[in-house]
Amino acid sequence: GEDVEQSLFLSVREGDSSVINCTYTDSSSTYLYWYKQEPGAGLQLLTYIFSNMDMKQDQRLTVLLNKKDKHLSLRIADTQTGDSAIYFCAESPGGYQKVTFGTGTKLQVIP
Amino acid sequence: SQTIHQWPATLVQPVGSPLSLECTVEGTSNPNLYWYRQAAGRGLQLLFYSVGIGQISSEVPQNLSASRPQDRQFILSSKKLLLSDSGFYLCAWRQEPGGYTFGSGTRLTVV
Repeated sequence: GEDVEQSLFLSVREGDSSVINCTYTDSSSTYLYWYKQEPGAGLQLLTYIFSNMDMKQDQRLTVLLNKKDKHLSLRIADTQTGDSAIYFCAESPGGYQKVTFGTGTKLQVIP
Repeated sequence: SQTIHQWPATLVQPVGSPLSLECTVEGTSNPNLYWYRQAAGRGLQLLFYSVGIGQISSEVPQNLSASRPQDRQFILSSKKLLLSDSGFYLCAWRQEPGGYTFGSGTRLTVV
């Protein structure tokens, strides 16, 4: 079955880069997502990458995909205190099929 | 623009009482709708999804049920709440390829 794994916690200093990692098992994954959840709120889609891409950059966010190793990462440049949140990796075969979420990585930004 | 509304934001209910959580979507027709639960520990569990009026698929057998009486309305219910039903309930709407748009969530505490 599908499984998505993330480390539970990451702490970085304000201004440094953050790298959040994720591994998945489903080789049919077509879309891979990163969501952000601030305390007491719903999940917000940050970015997604299609499986035929290696990299996607959107302002301070860079997503890297290693399809061979089934490894996805999210890099946040110049991390700010407002980036403190839980970040979820998710994957889907596409076509409205089920999206499987990781357990989330809590990012703590130290001023 | 498409929006998703979920209410109430917080709810405290006694064990054995009924439950009704409502989710509505605006700005789209025939959306795929989902109910997720996020327990302490942060993982997201898919409870139900619906691809159309009256069509409900259950992912996990439990004390809850879902209904879709109208195209853009999705309701999560229980006849008798258990302590284990406590959690953060999220409604979501799925669009390709962007993944989910989540509601703001309902924090349910069963006492």
